[in-house]
Amino acid sequence: DAKTTQPTSMDCAEGRAANLPCNHSTISGNEYVYWYRQIHSQGPQYIIHGLKNNETNEMASLIITEDRKSSTLILPHATLRDTAVYYCIVRGTGNQFYFGTGTSLTVIP
Amino acid sequence: DVKVTQSSRYLVKRTGEKVFLECVQDMDHENMFWYRQDPGLGLRLIYFSYDVKMKEKGDIPEGYSVSREKKERFSLILESASTNQTSMYLCASQKDRGYNEQFFGPGTRLTVL
Repeated sequence: DAKTTQPTSMDCAEGRAANLPCNHSTISGNEYVYWYRQIHSQGPQYIIHGLKNNETNEMASLIITEDRKSSTLILPHATLRDTAVYYCIVRGTGNQFYFGTGTSLTVIP
Repeated sequence: DVKVTQSSRYLVKRTGEKVFLECVQDMDHENMFWYRQDPGLGLRLIYFSYDVKMKEKGDIPEGYSVSREKKERFSLILESASTNQTSMYLCASQKDRGYNEQFFGPGTRLTVL
């Protein structure tokens, strides 16, 4: 599975959009981009995933660049409950999800 | 919504004890997984199962065993707990093989004294 690079930490004002970037320059054609988040001392929560088209669900939007070498997770109106560590994972059909260190997002009142 | 439940949120055991961690999913998923999470090491796969009675080793199976007698239930067993098995244990389920997402339980924080 391709390696991903994310910023260590980010802040976002409450009510504003949180844009979390992820680089995955070695992604291959059959690998999807997944996003999870983990609130302190809880299990990871699935957010969204996509292959090459932009995706949106009730939690977030996923924007994947045309060359698929990077993506952005967008939380349109961040709340304090969105404070968490966000993981970007690139995966094919392998057995497991490799969680790196992720981005620690702090939503500020 | 998929629900994955784990038998305990917090557990304290003594060295040498046999420990059972239970995981149940309610969505008729084929695949189930056990991970452990430690600071700085991310999530590491211990065991997984693609079907009842089937099990496969992950990256760190030593010191652990698993049991899957029913489709919805996947148990992790520490035959003789040791202090280096103090960790957060996470169970996950997945509809089937392929590109489907994995859904995680709330985790069990195990402390071995």
